[in-house]
Amino acid sequence: EPEVTQTPSHQVTQMGQEVILRCVPISNHLYFYWYRQILGQKVEFLVSFYNNEISEKSEIFDDQFSVERPDGSNFTLKIRSTKLEDSAMYFCASSPGQAGNQPQHFGDGTRLSIL
Amino acid sequence: SQQGEEDPQALSIQEGENATMNCSYKTSINNLQWYRQNSGRGLVHLILIRSNEREKHSGRLRVTLDTSKKSSSLLITASRAADTASYFCATHSGGSNYKLTFGKGTLLTVNP
Repeated sequence: EPEVTQTPSHQVTQMGQEVILRCVPISNHLYFYWYRQILGQKVEFLVSFYNNEISEKSEIFDDQFSVERPDGSNFTLKIRSTKLEDSAMYFCASSPGQAGNQPQHFGDGTRLSIL
Repeated sequence: SQQGEEDPQALSIQEGENATMNCSYKTSINNLQWYRQNSGRGLVHLILIRSNEREKHSGRLRVTLDTSKKSSSLLITASRAADTASYFCATHSGGSNYKLTFGKGTLLTVNP
């Protein structure tokens, strides 16, 4: 069964550095998402991406965050000038249709640790 | 209060017993979904129930939705040790909204 893959599984970065989290969504999916989960807390929506542009973003997704689909397979989340509070699990998800009609398929996440 | 709040926060049962988890939400929804998360892994979609549906089944899973009470329940029958995981409800509010809003989850432990 096709799955969403994320790399790396664990990223350790110094505060203030830039980090890029990578995802390969399921190939025939059209909608892509990033969520994060701070340890012990709920999964929080960051951004959705459709037709090569951001379709929705949360208040968490400020100017330090950006997303890109540089080619036909990868979907990346870039965090500029990381902060300690950015430490979390970051999940990529994809769906064939809009969230309202289709389940989202999640990767296993990247654990981001900011030192 | 938060959209999508599950209770109980933690549930421990014996293998073979049924497990019931509840979810309440605040705003109107287009659909509600349940996901499972094994420790250290991503979320796995279990079932989606639309706002005009009242009950849905999938194998040992039964989900109910009461939009008048803004609540949903997930029943796992004849539980197995492999069902041990965190279970989350997630709501989609419809329209041009793309996101899912997750609750804090219920940690289910099934003891062999």
